This record gives sequence, C-alpha cells and structure tokens, in this order.
Amino acid sequence: DAGVIQSPRHEVTEMGQEVTLRCKPISGHNSLFWYRQTMMRGLELLIYFNNNVPIDDSGMPEDRFSAKMPNASFSTLKIQPSEPRDSAVYFCASSFGQAAYEQYFGPGTRLTVT
Amino acid sequence: GENVEQHPSTLSVQEGDSAVIKCTYSDSASNYFPWYKQELGKGPQLIIDIRSNVGEKKDQRIAVTLNKTAKHFSLHITETQPEDSAVYFCAPGLVFGKGTRLSVIA
Repeated sequence: DAGVIQSPRHEVTEMGQEVTLRCKPISGHNSLFWYRQTMMRGLELLIYFNNNVPIDDSGMPEDRFSAKMPNASFSTLKIQPSEPRDSAVYFCASSFGQAAYEQYFGPGTRLTVT
Repeated sequence: GENVEQHPSTLSVQEGDSAVIKCTYSDSASNYFPWYKQELGKGPQLIIDIRSNVGEKKDQRIAVTLNKTAKHFSLHITETQPEDSAVYFCAPGLVFGKGTRLSVIA
C-alpha cells in the first residue's frame, strides 16, 4: 500500500498568492483529516470529512481557508490569499470508520509564505 | 472542547532505561486513547492505542495504561533504544497534546 499521498511536499509562495495542497487517502479509508503543525501551536485539526462530507470544520482559521473532497480518493486544502502566518507543515491523514481511530498520516506539505 | 496536557515536554534517558510520558484530558466522553511517534521530517505514526473498556495494553517494549477515573493515560517504553528518539504525541479525541521530545542517549 502506498499510504497517504500528499503533494506538493514543499511549497514556497509569495503573500497574496493562492495555494492548493492535495491529498490522496489510503484506498478503502472513508475518513480524511487535515492538520496544521507549527512550533507555536503544535498539531491542530483544521477539518475532517467522513464519506466525503465535511463533519467538523471548526478548526479552519478563517475564510481564506477552504477544503473539498470531491470523491473518496482526493481532497484539497486551499488558501486564498496566503499570508506569512500560514507558513507551517500541513498534514493529511485518513482512517477507516466514522470515528478518528487509527489515523494514518501522510508525509506533509511544508508551506512557506514570504 | 477537549483540553489535553502532556508531560514532560522533554525527556532524556540512557539507553536501556525506561521512559514514561503522561497525558491528561478533560472530556470524560473520550473513548479512544492513542499515542503517535513523529520522527524528524515525517508525519506522526500511530504506535499504540487503547479503548476505554481496557486498562492496559502492551506491544513488545511499549505499553499504554489508562485511568478513566482520573482522566489520564500514559505511554511506557522499556529497554529504550536510540531509534526511540522522537517526539511523542497523545491524542484523545481529535486533540493532540503538545508533544514530548524523547532523547535516548547511547
């Protein structure tokens, strides 16, 4: 199994630009999670989907962030416009079932906004 | 929401010694208690978990113990090895602790 796949692995962009992060969950998993990790705030849940439907988006920082899951094998996290404080490592994770049991994390996308 | 505290934030042990990390939580409805290990440049990896109907679970050198009354659970690593050096996170519910950086000194 390839595990959770994230792209790109690194992204450097200028303030004000749109950024799109991509995630392919493990085949057969029906829950998908987006996290953000920074030194200051640690690992924070942004949003999670179950069966492609957003269940909890209370962690999404503000309207500049949006996430979609058009099908069971693909999800995107978009930031528009990006700001320097969005610089972080963004992780996608997937699991089987409705609860957050046994999450498998991807390698992350390191985002730098200058 | 869930309030999670993890102690200690850093821990150094000699190779072969044991390490214990404690996690306290606030939501009495929590029923799933995992521990994740994160190595540099990688995503967190689940290493052991426990459900609320069990008090202890072991997997070779690692174990997790749960005290639901006191609302805390602990990670125990015995016979530590240099490759155990990493950051460890507890994550009751969907809230991650701040992490414990474990250094195993050879």
